[in-house]
Amino acid sequence: AQSVSQHNHHVILSEAASLELGCNYSYGGTVNLFWYVQYPGQHLQLLLKYFSGDPLVKGIKGFEAEFIKSKFSFNLRKPSVQWSDTAEYFCAVQNQKVTFGTGTKLQVIP
Amino acid sequence: EAQVTQNPRYLITVTGKKLTVTCSQNMNHEYMSWYRQDPGLGLRQIYYSMNVEVTDKGDVPEGYKVSRKEKRNFPLILESPSPNQTSLYFCASRIGQNEQYFGPGTRLTVT
Repeated sequence: AQSVSQHNHHVILSEAASLELGCNYSYGGTVNLFWYVQYPGQHLQLLLKYFSGDPLVKGIKGFEAEFIKSKFSFNLRKPSVQWSDTAEYFCAVQNQKVTFGTGTKLQVIP
Repeated sequence: EAQVTQNPRYLITVTGKKLTVTCSQNMNHEYMSWYRQDPGLGLRQIYYSMNVEVTDKGDVPEGYKVSRKEKRNFPLILESPSPNQTSLYFCASRIGQNEQYFGPGTRLTVT
């Protein structure tokens, strides 16, 4: 069975601070990894995805994530957050089934 | 415009009264899925469908049914809703192993 852990449940940052959200997964086979963002009152939207190749992937709005196979991790990063990044962030493992982490709520204070 | 639509967007019902939440996509995606979102639990997959007439259970299928008679539609059926099915429901679709496209969500309250 596959699983996803997001250890940070609620993160509060000031604008311009750097962000790193942790994501660890367990799955025995080849995985496709995703980060989605959910702005308040909206549905999930894709931030970035990793299938294979370069383990450092870049997404929208300045976000990036690094796939570290030996650590089963896919952490999300952004060098300088903005107030508009306030949202909930979900990591997901995908094959036939899709498993999401429990999400991290990010609050950015102006 | 490429999209996933769900209806209704909001629903308040009583225990035991059968209901159906519709989901439709116009992107010719083979894969469709239903999730429920609950505070602190993230999104949990209820059922998914790899193609027409092919469905399978996700992680929390109890109390739900689905059908996939046409490629574009994937309704979620609650035969006898209970209060523990009060939740925010999302339908999603994708092609291959690409990212999922989500509908706007259906907020269901069962009293």
